[in-house]
Amino acid sequence: AQSVTQPDIHITVSEGASLELRCNYSYGATPYLFWYVQSPGQGLQLLLKYFSGDTLVQGIKGFEAEFKRSQSSFNLRKPSVHWSDAAEYFCAVGAVFGGKLIFGQGTELSVKP
Amino acid sequence: DARVTQTPRHKVTEMGQEVTMRCQPILGHNTVFWYRQTMMQGLELLAYFRNRAPLDDSGMPKDRFSAEMPDATLATLKIQPSEPRDSAVYFCASGLGSNQPQHFGDGTRLSIL
Repeated sequence: AQSVTQPDIHITVSEGASLELRCNYSYGATPYLFWYVQSPGQGLQLLLKYFSGDTLVQGIKGFEAEFKRSQSSFNLRKPSVHWSDAAEYFCAVGAVFGGKLIFGQGTELSVKP
Repeated sequence: DARVTQTPRHKVTEMGQEVTMRCQPILGHNTVFWYRQTMMQGLELLAYFRNRAPLDDSGMPKDRFSAEMPDATLATLKIQPSEPRDSAVYFCASGLGSNQPQHFGDGTRLSIL
């Protein structure tokens, strides 16, 4: 079955520290992969996407993610977290040839001063 | 920036009442999605349309929910009759294809008393 797993429900990091949010997927076809961020009271905003090519993709707000096919992972990273990064982060996977996106359960990020 | 517009932003009503939520997708986007977000279930896809035709509504309770696209600039999600368990945030998203990045509205926060 197709699925996306975000193992960490909640992560707390100090401002200025590095961040890695984990995402693992199970998908029978070549996937399209996405990371979205949701601030309180708002909809989801696209951070970055992977379709093909370079497995390290850059996104907005200083985020990057690396696609590792062998590990079925698409982890999100940021070298230095800012207080404004506190939000919920969603990983999603879709099929190359169409179909709906499947979202993970989300990881809530807290940033402490 | 083009945005997906959802109305109303908040709705409180009594059980048994009809609820209609509206969505104006980004101009030119041919795919529209309806999601429901709750603490317990996370983000669930209810239905999606391509070129105004429903492609998948398997996530939607058929007996009380209905989704339509009267024209390319308007998508509606109706609940009749509403129940307390329908309380959630409902998001509309639009895109250029079902596996392309989706642009989310800010949601309708629905409370059924």
